[in-house]
Amino acid sequence: DTGVSQDPRHKITKRGQNVTFRCDPISEHNRLYWYRQTLGQGPEFLTYFQNEAQLEKSRLLSDRFSAERPKGSFSTLEIQRTEQGDSAMYLCASSLVQYNEQFFGPGTRLTVL
Amino acid sequence: AQTVTQSQPEMSVQEAETVTLSCTYDTSESDYYLFWYKQPPSRQMILVIRQEAYKQQNATENRFSVNFQKAAKSFSLKISDSQLGDAAMYFCAYRSAGVSNYQLIWGAGTKLIIKP
Repeated sequence: DTGVSQDPRHKITKRGQNVTFRCDPISEHNRLYWYRQTLGQGPEFLTYFQNEAQLEKSRLLSDRFSAERPKGSFSTLEIQRTEQGDSAMYLCASSLVQYNEQFFGPGTRLTVL
Repeated sequence: AQTVTQSQPEMSVQEAETVTLSCTYDTSESDYYLFWYKQPPSRQMILVIRQEAYKQQNATENRFSVNFQKAAKSFSLKISDSQLGDAAMYFCAYRSAGVSNYQLIWGAGTKLIIKP
């Protein structure tokens, strides 16, 4: 399968714990995006990378959130000191610079107890 | 700031019939892109159709077509010959054509139910 992959698919954690999610984009896609989707809503943009550079961050991305794409390939999204309000589906997408279509992964569903 | 509104939380249609999903958006930009994405239950988001704002011709992809009314800021999706596999959440999304803004701005979605 050469699509966008995300790991883990599901994560249950206790409030206050740290969690890290991984996204592997489609090979050669130089743009990578993170979105958050809560139940019954459309996705909300969090941040995006072009190669290894993080070029834009939403105000939704509080200080507890950090994202990296160290070698311009896979990306990680870390949430520190999780809160119940962080419970959501975290979606990753990738694209090529010259095209508009973003290809999405299956998402990581986070539940904070 | 741009916004996208989908006013139909849920729509249902008989199999083989035609259904239209509504989407309106607000922007002060003249150049942008519009998308319809489909999210089946427990499956990933996939692109259904896209429209460039500078194109007057409405986009068409097989059974899916759009009615793009730029002046009215309306972008509806028509699904012809509905099939059971079309059942999903449908999201309308907007993207600026500016070189520094690549995020998608999304509507709240419309749940499409196909009645056999």
